[in-house]
Amino acid sequence: AQTVTQSQPEMSVQEAETVTLSCTYDTSENNYYLFWYKQPPSRQMILVIRQEAYKQQNATENRFSVNFQKAAKSFSLKISDSQLGDTAMYFCAFIAIQGAQKLVFGQGTRLTINP
Amino acid sequence: KAGVTQTPRYLIKTRGQQVTLSCSPISGHRSVSWYQQTPGQGLQFLFEYFSETQRNKGNFPGRFSGRQFSNSRSEMNVSTLELGDSALYLCASTPDGQIYNEQFFGPGTRLTVL
Repeated sequence: AQTVTQSQPEMSVQEAETVTLSCTYDTSENNYYLFWYKQPPSRQMILVIRQEAYKQQNATENRFSVNFQKAAKSFSLKISDSQLGDTAMYFCAFIAIQGAQKLVFGQGTRLTINP
Repeated sequence: KAGVTQTPRYLIKTRGQQVTLSCSPISGHRSVSWYQQTPGQGLQFLFEYFSETQRNKGNFPGRFSGRQFSNSRSEMNVSTLELGDSALYLCASTPDGQIYNEQFFGPGTRLTVL
């Protein structure tokens, strides 16, 4: 069974700072996808970034980038130049391509950006 | 395009009752997944429907069931409600049925069981 662990329940940074959210996962699968989803307060969950396991290059979306270490089963999210609108719960998630295709989420990190 | 919609947004039930939640995916999306979100257990996958068939299922008891209609709208049903079923129920849709692509989430239905 796959598991996803986010070791930081809460984080808080000042606006414009850079913050890194940690995520580790456990799987015996070789082909899979990893995601970071963002759930703002009282708003819908949206995809932040996606990484395919067979791609060595780390995914980047504007201010958001990941550090994907396949051997270490680590998938951290870096937010550069943080903005007040980045305040949200962030969930790391995993899905295997083969077998039971179900999205497995970590427990989430509550990120607060302070003005 | 309109986003994923869920009805009702809030629901209060008592133990032993049953409840039906509805999800309308984004137009053209054929896959609908359901998740339960609680403070203690986090986000857990319930099931996924594609073309009116349940394709994947999480580890929930048989009291949780679902279905999908020909227009891709989906419903989930919980029978014999328990206090522990109190949660935010989220549905998500994907356009091509591959749930390892981006999933588009609805606002959720907040179910409270008294």
